[in-house]
Amino acid sequence: DAGVIQSPRHEVTEMGQEVTLRCKPISGHNSLFWYRQTMMRGLELLIYFNNNVPIDDSGMPEDRFSAKMPNASFSTLKIQPSEPRDSAVYFCASSPRQGGDEKLFFGSGTQLSVL
Amino acid sequence: AQSVTQLDSHVSVSEGTPVLLRCNYSSSYSPSLFWYVQHPNKGLQLLLKYTSAATLVKGINGFEAEFKKSETSFHLTKPSAHMSDAAEYFCVVTLTGAGSYQLTFGKGTKLSVIP
Repeated sequence: DAGVIQSPRHEVTEMGQEVTLRCKPISGHNSLFWYRQTMMRGLELLIYFNNNVPIDDSGMPEDRFSAKMPNASFSTLKIQPSEPRDSAVYFCASSPRQGGDEKLFFGSGTQLSVL
Repeated sequence: AQSVTQLDSHVSVSEGTPVLLRCNYSSSYSPSLFWYVQHPNKGLQLLLKYTSAATLVKGINGFEAEFKKSETSFHLTKPSAHMSDAAEYFCVVTLTGAGSYQLTFGKGTKLSVIP
């Protein structure tokens, strides 16, 4: 199994530009998470999908952020317009079932730099 | 409500000596507890998890952790550090059960191993 695949690995963009991060979860997993990691705030849950449906998006910072999961094998996180304070590492993770005691499988992350 | 405190932001040990990474948690209900490891430029990987079974949990790469309810602790240990153990370690708490998905991550402990 290839694991959770994220793209791109690195993204450098200018303030005001649209940024789209992509994630392919492990086949058969029905829970998908987007996290943001910064030095100041650590790991924060942005949004959680179960069976492709957004269950909890309370962690999305503001309306500039949106996430979709059109099918079981693909999800996107979009930032429009981007701002320098969005610079962080964004992780996608999936798990086989809904449940807090389930193991999460993380992708390698997307390092986003907004200039 | 739940929270987790990693008592040391940085731990440095010599190769071949024991490792102790400390974690205290707070949870209103029966918790599930995890340790994840993050190597540089990588996603997080599960080391071990506790979900109300045996209080001493063995994980990968020789790590283990003991759940102590009376002390609300879940410290991570390894008898002998290896250079490849140098990484950042995260203690995580959540609620046990199918309805939970909110994981609370500690701020992380960076482990350095000196040759």
